[in-house]
Amino acid sequence: EIVLTQSPDFQSVTPKEKVTITCRASQSIGNSLHWYQQKPDQSPKLLIKYASQSISGVPSRFSGSGSGTDFTLTINSLEAEDAAAYYCHQSSSLPQTFGGGTKVEIK
Amino acid sequence: EVRLVESGGVVVQPGGSLRLSCAASGFAFDDYTMLWVRQAPGKGLEWVSLISWDGGSTYYAGSVKGRFTISRDNSKDSLYLQMNSLRTEDTAFYYCAKAYSIGAPFDSWGQGTLVTVSS
Repeated sequence: EIVLTQSPDFQSVTPKEKVTITCRASQSIGNSLHWYQQKPDQSPKLLIKYASQSISGVPSRFSGSGSGTDFTLTINSLEAEDAAAYYCHQSSSLPQTFGGGTKVEIK
Repeated sequence: EVRLVESGGVVVQPGGSLRLSCAASGFAFDDYTMLWVRQAPGKGLEWVSLISWDGGSTYYAGSVKGRFTISRDNSKDSLYLQMNSLRTEDTAFYYCAKAYSIGAPFDSWGQGTLVTVSS
């Protein structure tokens, strides 16, 4: 089973700051890495697919990068509505797995 | 509009059984891989099970293999999860989601249904 390790677990950020979340895979997964946002009391929502591909309707301040084992989700100029938990997910091999999540709080 | 609506979550005793359902609408259900993801209260996401578009291939997380069975009825646009030998650690919100293929991201999710395993 591929283990995804996210860091940090928690981040408290002021509006307009840049946020960087990393996800490291225990073995190479190519670009089969996806990011989701989950706001309180809501179901997850797809943010970025295949490491860096944007999703229609998702603000352009969200971007992804990486391949192989190391991946990054970047939120440029954080807005108050971005307070949420963020999860990475690998679909390279079964069982598919999620990272432990990163909670982003707005100061 | 894509809609995934889960149902069937209740309080059940350890060792009991339960069947969850997910009603799909707004897309060609039989074109999509379907899956279940769960989330214990206050915890992270856990991939549970996946079924191919035609039901011919199914996969399970190690934590539920042998106890849970995923199935689908394409004539009813519905996904199911039969849960047997339930344990307290199965307590979670259960989400159904869809993906274009087995290796694709989960592009739509339901609102979830809560299963509580407790005596």
